[in-house]
Amino acid sequence: QLVLTQSPSASASLGASVKLTCALSSGHSTYAIVWHQQQPDKGPRFLMNLNSDGSHSKGDGIPDRFSGSSSGAERYLIISSLQSEDEADYYCQTWVNDIQVFGEGTKLTVL
Amino acid sequence: QVQLVESGGGVVQPGRSLRLSCAASGFTFSSYAMHWVRQAPGTGLEWVAVIWYDGTNKYYVDSVKGRFTISRDNSKNTLYLQMNSLRAEDTAVYFCATDISGTYVWGQGALVTVSS
Repeated sequence: QLVLTQSPSASASLGASVKLTCALSSGHSTYAIVWHQQQPDKGPRFLMNLNSDGSHSKGDGIPDRFSGSSSGAERYLIISSLQSEDEADYYCQTWVNDIQVFGEGTKLTVL
Repeated sequence: QVQLVESGGGVVQPGRSLRLSCAASGFTFSSYAMHWVRQAPGTGLEWVAVIWYDGTNKYYVDSVKGRFTISRDNSKNTLYLQMNSLRAEDTAVYFCATDISGTYVWGQGALVTVSS
């Protein structure tokens, strides 16, 4: 069964960097994923596609501070020079045969 | 400009029905699969259903099978979600979404509240 595992919460200081993790379940380590951001009381926003080799393509208007990388079955979202507006929920998502699967999300707090 | 706009949300009693619509613009609607995703209060995102670009295939999350029906009218650039036998646990914001050549696009969402 395809499952995406995310830590429930993360925190980092204003101006610092943070690395959020999305782990693919066993047998699915080659899957690409998508990262989405959801700021408080807003709808989700597409951030980027992220492949197993770490290559990624970001959505329009996504700042350079956002990047992605991969290692084995783990996919990472790296946010550098944290700003207050980065405080949000971050979801990873993948798919199999048109059926989509979401991680449970990581709530990022900017201190 | 690519845009998805949901409508049709509201308050409905348990066991009743509601139909959501999603109006698409700015892209060739008939070329892309479309999804419904929901978010119950205080929880994460849950995929609900998908329909192929031509409507020939549809898939659902187990919790809505037999109660919800996804459909589309490509002549009207509109996606639908017919929700029957609604339950309290269906209370959520419902988003329509699609993946256009590697860019995921979301609507703003429609709130459905199931309550007596």
